[in-house]
Amino acid sequence: SYALTQPLSVSVALGQTAIITCGGNNIGGKLVHWYQRRPGQAPVLVIYNDANRPSGIPERFSGSNSGNTATLTISRVQVGDEADYFCHVWDSGTGVFGGGTQLTVL
Amino acid sequence: EVQLVQSGAEVKKPGESLILSCKASGYDFSSYWIGWVRQMPGKGLEWMGIIYPSDSDTRYSPSFQGQVNISADKSISTAYLQWTSLKASDTAIYYCVRRWEVSNSPPFDFWGQGTLVTVSS
Repeated sequence: SYALTQPLSVSVALGQTAIITCGGNNIGGKLVHWYQRRPGQAPVLVIYNDANRPSGIPERFSGSNSGNTATLTISRVQVGDEADYFCHVWDSGTGVFGGGTQLTVL
Repeated sequence: EVQLVQSGAEVKKPGESLILSCKASGYDFSSYWIGWVRQMPGKGLEWMGIIYPSDSDTRYSPSFQGQVNISADKSISTAYLQWTSLKASDTAIYYCVRRWEVSNSPPFDFWGQGTLVTVSS
């Protein structure tokens, strides 16, 4: 079965840029979505189809996908960005999530 | 405003049955796939399955096929997740999700608030 690999944690200083990766075999050939889950809250879609932002998501959030790695980039990180981030693809009709990355803002 | 409102937390014993509900509002319930995602304690998200309320076409993750039943009642815009015999390993938070058909690999654009299920003897 298809697997997605994310780092367990990423730390970034306030105001700097956070980069969260999602690895998978030829993931560049798939469409990748990213979700943010703040503590105690339901997940929120922040990037869809590799690089698109839903309405209401700040421009600070961006995504890219190529080869074996998809990337979520958060610019000018704020305290409110502290959360778990999950990548998601579909493989043969089955939804697959990455294990999640905990973003800590220092 | 689209909303998915889930039923409340449950505490059950192994072997008991359970049905979780997810009440949708703010959109045409019949026209969007709606599904369920599990999060076990300290773990990541797992896609369980999905249903198209208009015709009840249902797809399951191989990991959950035969373990749960997903259904929907379009007359009351509600989706369900059902177990006939719970196990301790079913302890988790369960989210209902709406699939947004923006591409041939759609994201989940709305999530319910989650329901905590605890199975313990």
